[in-house]
Amino acid sequence: QVQLVQSGAEVKKPGASVKVSCKASGYTFTNYYIHWVRQAPGQGLEWMGIINPSGGSTSYAQKFQGRVTMTRDTSTRTVYMEMSSLRSEDTAVYYCARDRFGEPLDYWGQGTLVTVSS
Amino acid sequence: QLVLTQSPSASASLGASVKLTCTLSSGHSSYAIAWHQQQPEKGPQYLMKLNSDGSHSKGDGIPDRFSGSSSGAERYLTISSLQSEDEADYYCQTWGTDIRVFGTGTKVTVL
Repeated sequence: QVQLVQSGAEVKKPGASVKVSCKASGYTFTNYYIHWVRQAPGQGLEWMGIINPSGGSTSYAQKFQGRVTMTRDTSTRTVYMEMSSLRSEDTAVYYCARDRFGEPLDYWGQGTLVTVSS
Repeated sequence: QLVLTQSPSASASLGASVKLTCTLSSGHSSYAIAWHQQQPEKGPQYLMKLNSDGSHSKGDGIPDRFSGSSSGAERYLTISSLQSEDEADYYCQTWGTDIRVFGTGTKVTVL
């Protein structure tokens, strides 16, 4: 069955960086895009960006350009999202999710809580 | 600009039906959307893809109580025979080239 399994919770200080992983299984890794979506406490879902595991091309929401980097390792079927210059407003649950061209997000990871606090 | 608009809340009694609305921004009325459910303290779960003609395809294991329909720029999610576990936030989502967009979500309360 399709699974996206994310790394565990993180606590970071303002100004630090965090790297969250998303390991895919149960499908052909390179046939689906991976997205990162975050949800601040009590807020809605916010799309951050996309990586194409086949080739590694990326596209980021304007809000996150310059601060977020998405990468992938095809040998381990894992996608990474790294965010730098963390601030308290980045405290959120970060989700990975997959889709294909012209199709909706159909499977989600379990989420990773990132807490930014001094 | 591609925007999805949702009402913040809806409610209905146990066993009744509720209909949620997601409105596409001007110029985007032909877009398909998806509906996702987020139960309290859980991650989102994909419910269905809904096309502009009202045809829809559901995710794995989604009960028949969940159905979708469309009219112009509006996309609907109807939940019939409401159960307590249907109390959740419901988000619509759409997509373009290198962009994914979420609505602000509708909180459904089961009375």
